[in-house]
Amino acid sequence: NAGVMQNPRHLVRRRGQEARLRCSPMKGHSHVYWYRQLPEEGLKFMVYLQKENIIDESGMPKERFSAEFPKEGPSILRIQQVVRGDSAAYFCASSGLLGANEQFFGPGTRLTVL
Amino acid sequence: GESVGLHLPTLSVQEGDNSIINCAYSNSASDYFIWYKQESGKGPQFIIDIRSNMDKRQGQRVTVLLNKTVKHLSLQIAATQPGDSAVYFCAETPRYYQLIWGAGTKLIIKP
Repeated sequence: NAGVMQNPRHLVRRRGQEARLRCSPMKGHSHVYWYRQLPEEGLKFMVYLQKENIIDESGMPKERFSAEFPKEGPSILRIQQVVRGDSAAYFCASSGLLGANEQFFGPGTRLTVL
Repeated sequence: GESVGLHLPTLSVQEGDNSIINCAYSNSASDYFIWYKQESGKGPQFIIDIRSNMDKRQGQRVTVLLNKTVKHLSLQIAATQPGDSAVYFCAETPRYYQLIWGAGTKLIIKP
């Protein structure tokens, strides 16, 4: 049973471009969470999704950021018109049950904006 | 706003000694507290958790202590090994799914 998969592992974008980060949850998991991590800091909650539904997006910037978890396929975190301040590691976690202690994390996508 | 913070950014420990990593939290409504280990270039890995109605919980070589009076959490690692080198985060859960993370403590093992 593969763990949480994220791709790409590293992504380089120029200012103004779009970044698409993908997350495939563990098999059987229907809850997906996205977090952002700046260097030397803890993770910051961004959004919690279930299949086809955004449950809580309180940690996600209102502009340029969006997330989805379609019925088929991976969850996508999309950042439009990236700026240098978007450079960070973005982690996805999934759970089969609802609960913070049930979350399994992927290896992350490291986004660098030039 | 609510936050979780750590006292020591870096902890250097002799191999074989015990390690103690500390954490202060501020949200008294949190129900769960969790310790994660993050190795360089990897995602966080669950170590151990504790509910707010407990004051101590033990795992394999790890013990978590919770002092709600002073809002303090600690992780004790017995007989520290080179593989324990990582950044350790504490996190609290004011909501049942949402994790609020501290800044992290880097554990360095001296041979």
